[in-house]
Amino acid sequence: QKEVEQNSGPLSVPEGAIASLNCTYSDRVSQSFFWYRQYSGKSPELIMSIYSNGDKEDGRFTAQLNKASQYVSLLIRDSQPSDSATYLCAVKTNSGYALNFGKGTSLLVTP
Amino acid sequence: KAGVTQTPRYLIKTRGQQVTLSCSPISGHRSVSWYQQTPGQGLQFLFEYFSETQRNKGNFPGRFSGRQFSNSRSEMNVSTLELGDSALYLCASSISGSTAHEQYFGPGTRLTVT
Repeated sequence: QKEVEQNSGPLSVPEGAIASLNCTYSDRVSQSFFWYRQYSGKSPELIMSIYSNGDKEDGRFTAQLNKASQYVSLLIRDSQPSDSATYLCAVKTNSGYALNFGKGTSLLVTP
Repeated sequence: KAGVTQTPRYLIKTRGQQVTLSCSPISGHRSVSWYQQTPGQGLQFLFEYFSETQRNKGNFPGRFSGRQFSNSRSEMNVSTLELGDSALYLCASSISGSTAHEQYFGPGTRLTVT
C-alpha cells in the first residue's frame, strides 16, 4: 500500500500568520502532487498542483516539493478565517490514473 | 465552463438494495474517476474510466462497478448494499487522467444505508 501521510491536526494559527501544512509519501516513483481544500460538508477543491522539485507560488499559496526527501508542503501566507478547512495532499504515480490521498490536516485560523 | 455534476446529491437506501450514481464531467474531459470518502478511511479510489474503458480499479469488492458512456458521462453501481457503504461518493474529471492533468471533483452523492 502506497502511503501518503499527513498530520491530522488541528493546526491552529492566528489570522495573518503563515500556515504550514506538510505531507510525506512512500512511493518514490510518484510524479504529480496536489493540494485540495475541503470545507465541512463540501467536496475537495483543487488549490495547487506541483510536478517539479522546488517552489510553486499562486497568490497566497506556495507549494514546495522535495522528491529526494519524499516531502511536499503547502504554505498559506496571511491566513484568513475563511482558510479554515481540511487540506488534503494527493499523489499520483506515472503507472496509474488514481490519486492517492492523505487523510488531511484540519486547519483553524483564529481571528 | 460548467463543473462536474453528480446526481442525486443525497440517497437513503436499505441494506440489500442496489444504487446507481451518475456523474457528468467537465466539458472536454474524457477521464472520470470515482472515490469513496468516509471519516475513518478518508478518500479511497474506486475506479477510473477513459473512453468507455476502465483503466484502473481500487481495492473494493465486486459489488462496486461502473461504466462510462460515449459522451464521457459515468455511472457507478453498488449492489447488495451494506451499512458500511454509507459514505460520500465523489466523482472527479480530468482531461485525460494522465499524471500531468489535474482532477476536479463534483459535489458528491451522500449515500446513507439503513
